[in-house]
Amino acid sequence: SYELTQPPSVSVSPGQTARITCSGDALPKQYAYWYQQKPGQAPVLVIYKDSERPSGIPERFSGSSSGTTVTLTISGVQAEDEADYYCQSADSSGTYMEHVVFGGGTKLTVL
Amino acid sequence: EVQLVESGGGLVQPGRSLRLSCTASGFTFGDYAMSWVRQAPGKGLEWVGFIRSKAYGGTTEYAASVKGRFTISRDDSKSIAYLQMNSLKTEDTAVYYCTTCGGDCYSFVYFQHWGQGTLVTVSS
Repeated sequence: SYELTQPPSVSVSPGQTARITCSGDALPKQYAYWYQQKPGQAPVLVIYKDSERPSGIPERFSGSSSGTTVTLTISGVQAEDEADYYCQSADSSGTYMEHVVFGGGTKLTVL
Repeated sequence: EVQLVESGGGLVQPGRSLRLSCTASGFTFGDYAMSWVRQAPGKGLEWVGFIRSKAYGGTTEYAASVKGRFTISRDDSKSIAYLQMNSLKTEDTAVYYCTTCGGDCYSFVYFQHWGQGTLVTVSS
């Protein structure tokens, strides 16, 4: 298995753009996924397959990938976006996925 | 609407066993892989394991930290997934979430829908 590395915290003012990075050696070969978790709540999937947005997720959430780093971008940050964000990926030794890994999480603070 | 409801959590002594259940509704349970993810108090998310659908052999995969102690099973007739936890350790204390698994947990893996979680506390 491998590790995913995220910054512990990111701070932005309302209306600005927040970028949260996630680095891992296998990311060029495997998709990344992003989850938002607010205090006392279950996580919510906000990005899948690097850049796809599930239905119901606001358009201000987007994802991108470049080499060993994936990025979650939140444009026009709102107070309600303050939360912990986790990246996730998986690896395999052959045809199918065998192990799942989460990044350590990034706390987004809206100033 | 997809609903996942976990049950069975509680206080248990180290070395003992506990079984969690995840009751699903709002989708065709047998068509989906199911997974368990846990979160220790104040910590990040940790994958526990998953079970694929019968279409993919109902096979399972586990995190190294629980392999050999935890077992995931499913009853498609009742739309329930189970997490049997044996030889529990204090470090297994966490909220345990049941999730559906996108990509069939085969060609790719992600966690699409989540339950609200059930707290397991391992302490003497």
